[in-house]
Amino acid sequence: GENVEQHPSTLSVQEGDSAVIKCTYSDSASNYFPWYKQELGKRPQLIIDIRSNVGEKKDQRIAVTLNKTAKHFSLHITETQPEDSAVYFCAASRDDYKLSFGAGTTVTVRA
Amino acid sequence: DAGVIQSPRHEVTEMGQEVTLRCKPISGHNSLFWYRQTMMRGLELLIYFNNNVPIDDSGMPEDRFSAKMPNASFSTLKIQPSEPRDSAVYFCASSLQHLEAFFGQGTRLTVV
Repeated sequence: GENVEQHPSTLSVQEGDSAVIKCTYSDSASNYFPWYKQELGKRPQLIIDIRSNVGEKKDQRIAVTLNKTAKHFSLHITETQPEDSAVYFCAASRDDYKLSFGAGTTVTVRA
Repeated sequence: DAGVIQSPRHEVTEMGQEVTLRCKPISGHNSLFWYRQTMMRGLELLIYFNNNVPIDDSGMPEDRFSAKMPNASFSTLKIQPSEPRDSAVYFCASSLQHLEAFFGQGTRLTVV
């Protein structure tokens, strides 16, 4: 089955700086790569996703890049704000809709 | 739509007791997932259904765990008998085809 690895496990950044989280996947048939944000005590919520026919996608301060050849994808958050502090999960799935999640990255934005 | 609805929100039970977690997916969604979240193991997929049919239950940890989806608007995850190591937050999520998965609020299970 799919194996998704995520790095780093924790990330502390100064407010206004950028944060980058990287994930690799094992199943070359995976074609859907969402990112979820989970605030403390809350449910995971989708913040951005990308499909295999696209190399990059941007939504305001958040961007995701995908390298299918290398089987890795990354989340970029620019101009970080305190409300960006949360756990971020990457995930991958193929046409069977089965989402496999990475272990998560705890992001702390220092004011 | 109120989103994915899970009940109960919190459950405390004694070891050996049966526990039943419930989920109502978003109307019209045809995929339903049960996840377990712990600090040690992160988000683990236990089982998922497509059009009410279990497609992959390879994540179900033991025979003590079972899940059903009798119709498109309801699913249950049952643990019998429960053990302290089953303590976790259990999330149900639903999606339409290969689109965004929406998570419920989760059920925090504590087995003492």
